Amino acid sequence: GAGVSQSPRYKVAKRGQDVALRCDPISGHVSLFWYQQALGQGPEFLTYFQNEAQLDKSGLPSDRFFAERPEGSVSTLKIQRTQQEDSAVYLCASSSTGSNQPQHFGDGTRLSIL
Amino acid sequence: QKEVEQDPGPLSVPEGAIVSLNCTYSNSAFQYFMWYRQYSRKGPELLMYTYSSGNKEDGRFTAQVDKSSKYISLFIRDSQPSDSATYLCAMSGGSARQLTFGSGTQLTVLP
Repeated sequence: GAGVSQSPRYKVAKRGQDVALRCDPISGHVSLFWYQQALGQGPEFLTYFQNEAQLDKSGLPSDRFFAERPEGSVSTLKIQRTQQEDSAVYLCASSSTGSNQPQHFGDGTRLSIL
Repeated sequence: QKEVEQDPGPLSVPEGAIVSLNCTYSNSAFQYFMWYRQYSRKGPELLMYTYSSGNKEDGRFTAQVDKSSKYISLFIRDSQPSDSATYLCAMSGGSARQLTFGSGTQLTVLP
């Protein structure tokens, strides 16, 4: 596809379950970002990859959050032992090579923890 | 205090009005400034991307950056009902590649 693709679009899980969210970036985009967006707020940075290397994970809220991009393309954000405060929209963005190129976003995964 | 401040609105205007949206920021390292539009249950869509100070125009949209005042603006001319959405300012710069967003302004253009 032409844009950033995220799946699933909606995910409902019970507190304590593990979840995995997938991001398929724009083809050829080297940089990939994950953001968390709470209701009525702007997105907040979680982590950043350049190719397969995770260069910045300073925004991950706890060690229950883990992200990977093993082949430098598709990325997975995993949340272990989910808590109610993890309920949010998780957005993925990608950008091409070069410093501070514009980021293009997917439509996100809306995660609800019951 | 947040690094980027944005009036959340909501803002309601009649069709055809000129809309002015604004953000202020505190981090002087920011050099890249963006405006995104976000429709309900969709991801942010890039509208404008500017580097450093100055103006940039694209159709009905004009982005202004005043780094001396740490103030950015987005103007929408001849607003349309289809412009009804949440508008997010975002910025980056220095050693950080990630975007820092404002909280978004919810705009409604009434037909």
